[in-house]
Amino acid sequence: DGGITQSPKYLFRKEGQNVTLSCEQNLNHDAMYWYRQDPGQGLRLIYYSQIVNDFQKGDIAEGYSVSREKKESFPLTVTSAQKNPTAFYLCASSIVLGETQYFGPGTRLLVL
Amino acid sequence: AQTVTQSQPEMSVQEAETVTLSCTYDTSENNYYLFWYKQPPSRQMILVIRQEAYKQQNATENRFSVNFQKAAKSFSLKISDSQLGDTAMYFCAFMSSNTGNQFYFGTGTSLTVIP
Repeated sequence: DGGITQSPKYLFRKEGQNVTLSCEQNLNHDAMYWYRQDPGQGLRLIYYSQIVNDFQKGDIAEGYSVSREKKESFPLTVTSAQKNPTAFYLCASSIVLGETQYFGPGTRLLVL
Repeated sequence: AQTVTQSQPEMSVQEAETVTLSCTYDTSENNYYLFWYKQPPSRQMILVIRQEAYKQQNATENRFSVNFQKAAKSFSLKISDSQLGDTAMYFCAFMSSNTGNQFYFGTGTSLTVIP
């Protein structure tokens, strides 16, 4: 089955800790994206990657970092600099930049 | 900057009835795409329907259809023969053809289908 997987489903972060959210796709898509969703709000773009070894900041990149070493993988690290990390995080991919985006099941991050 | 407005935070519809969700957007661009995504309680975002701005014909996917009014910058979603599985949050989204790196999402409409 082709699709996008995100893990873990739930993640807990302690104060001052960095945590990494996984996103993998086997759709052979070039472009990948990370969004944050807060209650009562739409999705906001954190980072996106057009192609391997390339990524760009979105609207709310502060406190986050990404890497794109493989086409299939686009992990997101929530650093200790992100002061309000509690949210639902969605990963998406598209064939190329500018095409329809397809989403993974999401990861809920909670702060202890 | 592009903005997407969904003015109905919550709606309900009787099973088998028809409901229309509203969406308006603001842009100065001429070439763009519009989308409706569904987010059920599982939280996974699912593409419902897509409309290219250059197409005059309204997009249709089974029970889902849109009313795209380009001049009015309006993009409503009609769900016919509503089913219990249609209960979800529905998000309208805009994407520029020129800067296709970003979707702009509305704040969503929570739809409940009543048996």
